[in-house]
Amino acid sequence: DQQVKQNSPSLSVQEGRISILNCDYTNSMFDYFLWYKKYPAEGPTFLISISSIKDKNEDGRFTVFLNKSAKHLSLHIVPSQPGDSAVYFCAASAPGNTPLVFGKGTRLSVIA
Amino acid sequence: KAGVTQTPRYLIKTRGQQVTLSCSPISGHRSVSWYQQTPGQGLQFLFEYFSETQRNKGNFPGRFSGRQFSNSRSEMNVSTLELGDSALYLCASSLVPLAGGINEQFFGPGTRLTVL
Repeated sequence: DQQVKQNSPSLSVQEGRISILNCDYTNSMFDYFLWYKKYPAEGPTFLISISSIKDKNEDGRFTVFLNKSAKHLSLHIVPSQPGDSAVYFCAASAPGNTPLVFGKGTRLSVIA
Repeated sequence: KAGVTQTPRYLIKTRGQQVTLSCSPISGHRSVSWYQQTPGQGLQFLFEYFSETQRNKGNFPGRFSGRQFSNSRSEMNVSTLELGDSALYLCASSLVPLAGGINEQFFGPGTRLTVL
Protein backbone atom coordinates (compact mmCIF):
# COMPACT_ATOMS: atom_id res chain seq x y z
CA ASP A 1 0.00 0.00 0.00
CA GLN A 2 1.48 3.30 -1.12
CA GLN A 3 1.78 5.60 1.90
CA VAL A 4 2.98 8.54 -0.19
CA LYS A 5 1.14 9.14 -3.45
CA GLN A 6 1.96 11.39 -6.35
CA ASN A 7 -1.05 10.89 -8.56
CA SER A 8 0.21 12.86 -11.54
CA PRO A 9 2.98 10.98 -13.35
CA SER A 10 3.71 14.02 -15.50
CA LEU A 11 3.06 17.74 -15.74
CA SER A 12 3.76 20.20 -18.53
CA VAL A 13 4.03 23.95 -17.85
CA GLN A 14 4.98 26.99 -19.89
CA GLU A 15 8.13 28.85 -18.92
CA GLY A 16 7.38 31.71 -16.54
CA ARG A 17 4.17 30.15 -15.25
CA ILE A 18 3.58 28.42 -11.93
CA SER A 19 4.21 24.69 -11.54
CA ILE A 20 2.21 22.93 -8.84
CA LEU A 21 3.19 19.40 -7.89
CA ASN A 22 0.96 17.52 -5.51
CA CYS A 23 1.53 14.78 -2.97
CA ASP A 24 -0.88 12.93 -0.66
CA TYR A 25 -0.02 10.70 2.27
CA THR A 26 -1.91 8.24 4.38
CA ASN A 27 0.24 7.75 7.48
CA SER A 28 -0.78 10.25 10.17
CA MET A 29 2.53 9.58 11.97
CA PHE A 30 4.50 11.35 9.23
CA ASP A 31 5.86 14.59 10.63
CA TYR A 32 8.54 15.62 8.16
CA PHE A 33 8.22 16.03 4.42
CA LEU A 34 10.78 16.58 1.71
CA TRP A 35 10.94 17.19 -2.01
CA TYR A 36 13.77 15.88 -4.15
CA LYS A 37 14.55 16.68 -7.76
CA LYS A 38 16.12 14.15 -10.11
CA TYR A 39 17.71 14.75 -13.49
CA PRO A 40 18.40 11.81 -15.85
CA ALA A 41 21.61 9.90 -15.07
CA GLU A 42 21.94 11.68 -11.72
CA GLY A 43 20.83 10.85 -8.21
CA PRO A 44 18.02 12.80 -6.53
CA THR A 45 19.02 16.08 -4.91
CA PHE A 46 17.29 17.64 -1.93
CA LEU A 47 15.14 20.62 -2.80
CA ILE A 48 13.06 21.75 0.15
CA SER A 49 11.48 20.33 3.30
CA ILE A 50 8.76 21.13 5.80
CA SER A 51 8.05 20.05 9.32
CA SER A 52 4.51 19.20 10.38
CA ILE A 53 4.52 22.15 12.80
CA LYS A 54 4.51 24.49 9.82
CA ASP A 55 2.11 24.90 6.95
CA LYS A 56 4.45 26.70 4.56
CA ASN A 57 8.15 26.85 3.79
CA GLU A 58 9.70 29.02 1.13
CA ASP A 59 13.10 28.98 -0.52
CA GLY A 60 13.51 31.30 -3.46
CA ARG A 61 11.25 30.19 -6.29
CA PHE A 62 10.20 27.07 -4.38
CA THR A 63 7.43 26.95 -1.78
CA VAL A 64 6.02 23.88 -0.09
CA PHE A 65 2.57 23.96 1.47
CA LEU A 66 1.33 21.40 3.98
CA ASN A 67 -2.31 20.72 4.79
CA LYS A 68 -2.23 18.23 7.64
CA SER A 69 -5.98 17.79 7.92
CA ALA A 70 -6.14 16.79 4.26
CA LYS A 71 -2.83 14.88 4.44
CA HIS A 72 -1.73 16.80 1.40
CA LEU A 73 1.32 18.79 0.43
CA SER A 74 2.22 20.66 -2.68
CA LEU A 75 5.33 22.17 -4.21
CA HIS A 76 4.97 25.46 -6.05
CA ILE A 77 7.64 26.67 -8.45
CA VAL A 78 7.30 30.29 -9.51
CA PRO A 79 8.33 31.23 -12.11
CA SER A 80 9.05 27.93 -13.80
CA GLN A 81 12.23 27.69 -15.84
CA PRO A 82 13.34 25.13 -18.46
CA GLY A 83 16.08 23.99 -16.06
CA ASP A 84 13.36 22.89 -13.64
CA SER A 85 12.44 20.07 -16.01
CA ALA A 86 13.10 16.94 -13.97
CA VAL A 87 11.38 14.24 -11.95
CA TYR A 88 10.21 15.46 -8.55
CA PHE A 89 9.84 13.05 -5.65
CA CYS A 90 7.86 13.72 -2.53
CA ALA A 91 9.10 11.93 0.60
CA ALA A 92 7.88 11.64 4.16
CA SER A 93 9.13 10.28 7.44
CA ALA A 94 7.84 9.47 10.89
CA PRO A 95 9.72 10.25 14.10
CA GLY A 96 12.57 8.09 15.29
CA ASN A 97 14.68 5.58 13.47
CA THR A 98 12.57 5.39 10.35
CA PRO A 99 13.55 5.65 6.72
CA LEU A 100 12.09 8.02 4.21
CA VAL A 101 9.05 6.86 2.25
CA PHE A 102 9.03 8.18 -1.29
CA GLY A 103 6.28 8.71 -3.82
CA LYS A 104 6.59 7.46 -7.38
CA GLY A 105 7.57 10.87 -8.73
CA THR A 106 6.13 13.45 -11.12
CA ARG A 107 7.95 14.34 -14.31
CA LEU A 108 7.83 18.10 -14.84
CA SER A 109 8.45 19.52 -18.29
CA VAL A 110 8.85 23.29 -18.57
CA ILE A 111 8.36 24.41 -22.13
CA ALA A 112 10.17 27.51 -23.37
CA LYS B 1 34.61 17.37 -1.80
CA ALA B 2 33.83 14.35 -3.93
CA GLY B 3 30.22 13.22 -4.01
CA VAL B 4 28.78 9.77 -3.54
CA THR B 5 30.20 7.37 -6.09
CA GLN B 6 28.65 4.13 -7.24
CA THR B 7 30.19 1.37 -9.30
CA PRO B 8 29.50 0.02 -11.76
CA ARG B 9 27.15 2.52 -13.42
CA TYR B 10 25.58 -0.09 -15.69
CA LEU B 11 25.30 -3.83 -15.36
CA ILE B 12 23.63 -6.57 -17.36
CA LYS B 13 23.03 -9.96 -15.77
CA THR B 14 20.90 -12.99 -16.48
CA ARG B 15 18.28 -14.60 -14.29
CA GLY B 16 19.70 -16.70 -11.50
CA GLN B 17 23.01 -14.89 -11.32
CA GLN B 18 24.10 -12.75 -8.41
CA VAL B 19 25.38 -9.21 -8.41
CA THR B 20 27.36 -6.93 -6.08
CA LEU B 21 27.06 -3.17 -6.25
CA SER B 22 29.43 -0.77 -4.54
CA CYS B 23 28.95 2.64 -2.96
CA SER B 24 31.56 5.07 -1.63
CA PRO B 25 29.99 7.76 0.56
CA ILE B 26 31.08 11.36 0.86
CA SER B 27 34.22 11.59 2.96
CA GLY B 28 33.27 11.77 6.63
CA HIS B 29 29.78 10.39 6.10
CA ARG B 30 29.14 7.27 8.13
CA SER B 31 25.57 6.42 7.18
CA VAL B 32 24.80 4.73 3.87
CA SER B 33 21.32 3.90 2.62
CA TRP B 34 20.28 1.94 -0.43
CA TYR B 35 17.16 2.44 -2.56
CA GLN B 36 15.63 0.69 -5.53
CA GLN B 37 14.00 2.88 -8.17
CA THR B 38 11.58 1.38 -10.68
CA PRO B 39 9.06 3.17 -12.90
CA GLY B 40 6.17 1.40 -11.24
CA GLN B 41 7.18 1.81 -7.60
CA GLY B 42 9.30 4.92 -7.40
CA LEU B 43 12.08 4.90 -4.80
CA GLN B 44 11.86 2.12 -2.28
CA PHE B 45 14.11 1.87 0.76
CA LEU B 46 16.27 -1.24 0.94
CA PHE B 47 18.46 -0.78 4.01
CA GLU B 48 20.61 1.63 5.98
CA TYR B 49 24.04 1.01 7.46
CA PHE B 50 25.84 3.04 10.08
CA SER B 51 29.18 2.10 11.62
CA GLU B 52 29.08 -1.28 9.90
CA THR B 53 25.70 -2.13 11.43
CA GLN B 54 22.39 -2.42 9.65
CA ARG B 55 19.99 0.00 11.34
CA ASN B 56 16.96 -0.39 9.16
CA LYS B 57 15.66 -2.72 6.51
CA GLY B 58 12.91 -2.23 3.97
CA ASN B 59 10.38 -4.77 2.81
CA PHE B 60 12.55 -6.75 0.41
CA PRO B 61 13.24 -10.50 0.27
CA GLY B 62 16.34 -12.00 1.82
CA ARG B 63 17.98 -12.20 -1.62
CA PHE B 64 18.85 -8.55 -1.05
CA SER B 65 21.65 -8.05 1.43
CA GLY B 66 24.27 -5.49 2.21
CA ARG B 67 27.24 -4.67 4.34
CA GLN B 68 29.36 -1.73 5.32
CA PHE B 69 33.10 -1.66 5.81
CA SER B 70 35.16 0.19 8.40
CA ASN B 71 35.89 2.96 5.88
CA SER B 72 32.10 3.45 5.47
CA ARG B 73 32.07 2.07 1.94
CA SER B 74 29.09 -0.17 1.38
CA GLU B 75 28.13 -3.02 -0.88
CA MET B 76 24.79 -4.52 -1.67
CA ASN B 77 24.31 -7.99 -3.04
CA VAL B 78 21.37 -9.50 -4.87
CA SER B 79 21.39 -13.27 -5.25
CA THR B 80 19.35 -15.41 -7.63
CA LEU B 81 18.41 -12.47 -9.80
CA GLU B 82 14.88 -12.19 -11.16
CA LEU B 83 13.61 -10.15 -14.10
CA GLY B 84 11.80 -7.86 -11.65
CA ASP B 85 15.10 -6.87 -10.06
CA SER B 86 15.87 -4.71 -13.09
CA ALA B 87 16.03 -1.22 -11.64
CA LEU B 88 18.18 1.75 -10.79
CA TYR B 89 19.88 1.15 -7.44
CA LEU B 90 20.68 4.34 -5.60
CA CYS B 91 22.99 4.82 -2.68
CA ALA B 92 22.76 7.81 -0.36
CA SER B 93 25.10 8.93 2.38
CA SER B 94 24.66 11.20 5.38
CA LEU B 95 26.87 12.37 8.21
CA VAL B 96 24.85 10.70 10.91
CA PRO B 97 22.11 8.09 10.94
CA LEU B 98 18.79 8.92 9.41
CA ALA B 99 16.47 10.34 12.04
CA GLY B 100 13.09 10.79 10.50
CA GLY B 101 14.61 12.26 7.36
CA ILE B 102 15.90 15.39 9.07
CA ASN B 103 19.51 14.54 8.37
CA GLU B 104 20.14 15.35 4.75
CA GLN B 105 21.03 12.53 2.43
CA PHE B 106 23.23 12.93 -0.62
CA PHE B 107 22.54 10.52 -3.44
CA GLY B 108 24.92 8.92 -5.88
CA PRO B 109 24.10 8.61 -9.60
CA GLY B 110 22.97 5.01 -9.23
CA THR B 111 23.73 1.67 -10.83
CA ARG B 112 21.38 0.65 -13.63
CA LEU B 113 20.89 -3.12 -13.38
CA THR B 114 19.26 -5.00 -16.23
CA VAL B 115 18.32 -8.63 -15.72
CA LEU B 116 17.74 -10.65 -18.89
